[in-house]
Amino acid sequence: DIVMTQTPLSSPVTLGQPASISCRSSQSLVHSDGNTYLSWLQQRPGQPPRLLIYKISNRFSGVPDRFSGSGAGTDFTLKISRVEAEDVGVYYCMQATQFPWTFGQGTKVEIK
Amino acid sequence: QVQLVQSGAEVKKPGASVKVSCKASGYTFTSYYMHWVRQAPGQGLEWMGIINPSGGSTSYAQKFQGRVTMTRDTSTSTVYMELSSLRSEDTAVYYCARDFSSASMDVWGKGTTVTVSS
Repeated sequence: DIVMTQTPLSSPVTLGQPASISCRSSQSLVHSDGNTYLSWLQQRPGQPPRLLIYKISNRFSGVPDRFSGSGAGTDFTLKISRVEAEDVGVYYCMQATQFPWTFGQGTKVEIK
Repeated sequence: QVQLVQSGAEVKKPGASVKVSCKASGYTFTSYYMHWVRQAPGQGLEWMGIINPSGGSTSYAQKFQGRVTMTRDTSTSTVYMELSSLRSEDTAVYYCARDFSSASMDVWGKGTTVTVSS
């Protein structure tokens, strides 16, 4: 199975300041079809997860443009340009290149 | 609107089975695969498997092979996830989630809490 490792596991951020989360996979996420199936999901307290970013850098419908994704191969990053109160929650990276799909441990974003 | 409505919370004894349902609406049921993901209390997300609502084919995570069965009823646009031989470690919230272009999941149910306790 592909192991997904996120850092940091906790990120206290001041409102209006940027936040960055890293995700590393144990093997390349480049699929034989040429795509890289790395996505980011947000889980607010008491809510199911919500899709933010898919295929490394594509924002899902309705996701604010302060969220951006980047990376390649085995190293990926989610950035929030200016954290807002509604961004509090746990963020997960997930790979869908190979079954079983696997998630990172999650990174908790909280306001300082 | 597109939504997935899951069945209510369950309490089961060790060794029993549980069957969770997920009713889809607002889209063509047979056009999108469905995933099941679980989350133990205070823990992260764990992918369990996927079902094709059109033909019924499934793929399960090795960890759950032999204990999980995913089925669907196209007449009611409902998918089911049955987990057998329950143990305390299966206590979790179980989510169904619609597949998004084989790249992620775009619509999630609210989750079904399954508690396994003697």
